[in-house]
Amino acid sequence: GESVGLHLPTLSVQEGDNSIINCAYSNSASDYFIWYKQESGKGPQFIIDIRSNMDKRQGQRVTVLLNKTVKHLSLQIAATQPGDSAVYFCAENPPSYQKVTFGTGTKLQVIP
Amino acid sequence: DAGITQSPRHKVTETGTPVTLRCHQTENHRYMYWYRQDPGHGLRLIHYSYGVKDTDKGEVSDGYSVSRSKTEDFLLTLESATSSQTSVYFCAISEARDRVGYTFGSGTRLTVV
Repeated sequence: GESVGLHLPTLSVQEGDNSIINCAYSNSASDYFIWYKQESGKGPQFIIDIRSNMDKRQGQRVTVLLNKTVKHLSLQIAATQPGDSAVYFCAENPPSYQKVTFGTGTKLQVIP
Repeated sequence: DAGITQSPRHKVTETGTPVTLRCHQTENHRYMYWYRQDPGHGLRLIHYSYGVKDTDKGEVSDGYSVSRSKTEDFLLTLESATSSQTSVYFCAISEARDRVGYTFGSGTRLTVV
């Protein structure tokens, strides 16, 4: 929602440029990761996921990169559009039915 | 959001009153979750359910209770609302216990005055 967007790190990108949003995760045992997009006033929306046996996965205009060595995820959005303006956050899922942990997010602002 | 509805969307209530939020799904998913979202925090799990009458506590369950008498409905009750429970509440569903993405509802913005 709107109040969640406050106090977040913000990435401002020109329309048409590529965006890279980063996320550090905490549990080295996590083996499944998801990126969510949350538009103002709406619930989070699944974008793309990746399992730990992969280091890259591509979707439509989005790519997720996973670096397990440094516990880092990134979301790349190609040709960023005004509709991409939102808060993006990652989630990590450890094995053995441990609970999903969500990051606090990054606000992406697309400049027309 | 398709297949999952939260009600009400907004509510203002007084300190000390009980409040019930409803989550309704039409996806027939077994797993349902209640989260709260606050500035500076990621989504935090309040309670979850793995099936009818099968619920458990999450990381921030104090002051909250849940019930699931039907697959499609998951109710969150604030037994005696406090100002610290002012938040945006999200319900989520999933078709498996883990390693799947969640589908979230549109949220309920609750203000306790």
